[in-house]
Amino acid sequence: DAGVIQSPRHEVTEMGQEVTLRCKPISGHDYLFWYRQTMMRGLELLIYFNNNVPIDDSGMPEDRFSAKMPNASFSTLKIQPSEPRDSAVYFCASSFGQGPYEQYFGPGTRLTVT
Amino acid sequence: GENVEQHPSTLSVQEGDSAVIKCTYSDSASNYFPWYKQELGKGPQLIIDIRSNVGEKKDQRIAVTLNKTAKHFSLHITETQPEDSAVYFCAARAGSYQLTFGKGTKLSVIP
Repeated sequence: DAGVIQSPRHEVTEMGQEVTLRCKPISGHDYLFWYRQTMMRGLELLIYFNNNVPIDDSGMPEDRFSAKMPNASFSTLKIQPSEPRDSAVYFCASSFGQGPYEQYFGPGTRLTVT
Repeated sequence: GENVEQHPSTLSVQEGDSAVIKCTYSDSASNYFPWYKQELGKGPQLIIDIRSNVGEKKDQRIAVTLNKTAKHFSLHITETQPEDSAVYFCAARAGSYQLTFGKGTKLSVIP
């Protein structure tokens, strides 16, 4: 398996622009997680899905952030409008809910908002 | 919710020495404790995990211990090598499928 795939790997955008991050989980995994990593706050869970349904979005910082999972093999995290404080590395991870529960992380998308 | 504290934030050891990283958690219902290694420019990768019904687990040079009473768990790396240099994260899970991560420890192994 190719593992969790994320695109793009790097994104540089100007404040106010819309940003869309993409994730393809490992085939067969039924849980998908979006994390944000910064030096100040570490690794934070933003939202997670089970069988394409959002279960907990309490980590989403504000209404500018939205996430969708239209099918089992694709998810997006959108920021509209983007702000400089959104600059971070965004990770997608997936796992199989019936065990062994390990979360497999993608390589991440480094977002820079100028 | 769960809160995970990790110490130290940075750790330097000589090649061949041992390294120990410690974490504490707040939710007594937590039952799964993984450790992740993150190399520069990559996503975290699971290196070892332990469940609450086990006190210790080993995998070659890596071991994890769990003290449920004190609510702390530790990662032990023996005979450290330069390729062990990375950021290590502990995490805890209580019931749901989401993990709460510590802030990370940057380990540097000096040749």
